[in-house]
Parts: sequence; structure tokens; C-alpha cells
Amino acid sequence: AQKITQTQPGMFVQEKEAVTLDCTYDTSDQSYGLFWYKQPSSGEMIFLIYQGSYDEQNATEGRYSLNFQKARKSANLVISASQLGDSAMYFCAMSHKLSFGAGTTVTVRA
Amino acid sequence: GAVVSQHPSWVICKSGTSVKIECRSLDFQATTMFWYRQFPKQSLMLMATSNEGSKATYEQGVEKDKFLINHASLTLSTLTVTSAHPEDSSFYICSARRMENAGYTFGSGTRLTVV
Repeated sequence: AQKITQTQPGMFVQEKEAVTLDCTYDTSDQSYGLFWYKQPSSGEMIFLIYQGSYDEQNATEGRYSLNFQKARKSANLVISASQLGDSAMYFCAMSHKLSFGAGTTVTVRA
Repeated sequence: GAVVSQHPSWVICKSGTSVKIECRSLDFQATTMFWYRQFPKQSLMLMATSNEGSKATYEQGVEKDKFLINHASLTLSTLTVTSAHPEDSSFYICSARRMENAGYTFGSGTRLTVV
């Protein structure tokens, strides 16, 4: 069975600052993938970043980077230089059934 | 890129009626589709996984007879909420995957309100 845990229900961040969203997971699979999605109030799911369990380097996509610590089973998302448009709900998810964590609501303040 | 079209985007129906939601992959063949349900301010809860041409695999606690899933072709999966009741009101969203190690593409979601 898979389990994804996001312990931060909500976070506030000042514009232009960085924010780290926590995600820990549990799985018995040797090969798996970790995803982060952004969900604005419109409801659409926007893919942000992906990390494979065998990837040796942390994934980066523009202002998004994933701090992958396999031994600790954590896959934290770092958003750098926050923008007002980053305000949304953020979900950590794991393959293969794409199970989701509880989500973290990020509010960026001007 | 991969696009998944989901219709309708919102629907209001009367209690006791059935509602069908379509999820269509426009530019790729989706071997697997996933259906989720999401209540306000909560996470996406996986309802079922469907593979083309075979019966859907439902998650524990999801009523198979109430939420009928059909994946008749590699580009179309449907979710039918049968005999809908107000407690079925929710945001339903589908996701499609091309192959095992491919990414997941989401539809835009359907907001169902049962009155």
C-alpha cells in the first residue's frame, strides 16, 4: 500500500521569497515516481515536477525544485521567488496509481 | 502535448437521475484512465482505475453499481453516477496515462451538483 503525507495544511509566503512544501511517502515498491501538482481555484491540475525513484539528481523545473531524500522517504517541493500567481493548493502524488497527499494551500502575500 | 478533454465541466441534476461524465484523450491513446473525486478544500480521492477493454478496478469503499466506469476505447472513458443523491455532489476529475512510465494528464474536472 502507498501512503503520501503532507503535514502543512496551509502556508503563507512573502512575494519573491522561497517556500518549501513537505511531502513524505511510504511504499513497498522499488521503482516509483513522485509528482507535484498545483491546483488553483479553477480546479485544474497543473503538473509541476517529477522525480523518479532511481534518479540520482534532484529534479528541477524553472522555479520549482524537488528535494528528494530517498532514505528518509521525503520529496519536498521548493518554490523559489514566489509570485502572486503561485497562490494555490499543492499536492504531492506517487505512481503507480497516482495517490495524492492531503495538500498544502499556499498563499503568497504582496 | 497530451490533452485530456472532460465534459461536462459542470452539471446540475435532480435526485434519482443519472449523470454521465466523459473523459477523452485528444492526441494520444490512453491505456489507463483514473477517476477521482474531490470535496472542497480536500485531496483527490482515487475512485477507480480503468484499462481499455477490461473492467475497472475500484478502490475500497467505492460502490461499483453507483459509479459505473466504462473504458470502451483507447481514447474514451466514461463515469456514470447512477441514481444520484445530494451527497454525490462533488468535483470529479479524470486522469489519463499513455503507458506505464508516462506522465499523467488530467481533464479539467466536472462539478456535479445534485438537487
